[in-house]
Amino acid sequence: AQTVTQSQPEMSVQEAETVTLSCTYDTSESDYYLFWYKQPPSRQMILVIRQEAYKQQNATENRFSVNFQKAAKSFSLKISDSQLGDAAMYFCAYTRASGTYKYIFGTGTRLKVLA
Amino acid sequence: DTGVSQNPRHKITKRGQNVTFRCDPISEHNRLYWYRQTLGQGPEFLTYFQNEAQLEKSRLLSDRFSAERPKGSFSTLEIQRTEQGDSAMYLCASKRSSGNQETQYFGPGTRLLVL
Repeated sequence: AQTVTQSQPEMSVQEAETVTLSCTYDTSESDYYLFWYKQPPSRQMILVIRQEAYKQQNATENRFSVNFQKAAKSFSLKISDSQLGDAAMYFCAYTRASGTYKYIFGTGTRLKVLA
Repeated sequence: DTGVSQNPRHKITKRGQNVTFRCDPISEHNRLYWYRQTLGQGPEFLTYFQNEAQLEKSRLLSDRFSAERPKGSFSTLEIQRTEQGDSAMYLCASKRSSGNQETQYFGPGTRLLVL
């Protein structure tokens, strides 16, 4: 069975600094997708960034980038120039590239941004 | 896209009562998912619809839970004889079936409290 592990329950970062959130996963599949979602307090979950497993190039979306290490089954999120609005729960998610495409989520990392 | 909507946003009920939640997916998204998120945890998959067909149910979905998606549009999730352990956030998500669209779009959730 596939699993997703986020080992950092909480992280803090100073405004304008860089922070990295960790995620590891376990799967026997070769084709899959990985995501980072952001869930602000009392607001809905929104996609931050996604990565296709068949792509070697790490995904980047403005201040957000990932370090995808397929062999190590690691998928970390780097947030550069952190802003107060980045404060939220961040969830790492995995889905197979076939079938139902249901997500398997990690337990989340709460990111605090200090002014 | 107008986004995924869920109603009600909050529900307080007494143990043993029945509750029903509604999800309106993004129009033309034929895949719809229900997840349950308890405090401090990531969302867990409950069930999946492709159009009006319910194609997968998690073992988390006990006999007291039933979901429907008549006509492949909105979906309802009913919990009969609620228990305190049912207290959670119930999330709905939708996605397209075709194309490079593995991203699920989430609604704001329905927070259920069973007293």
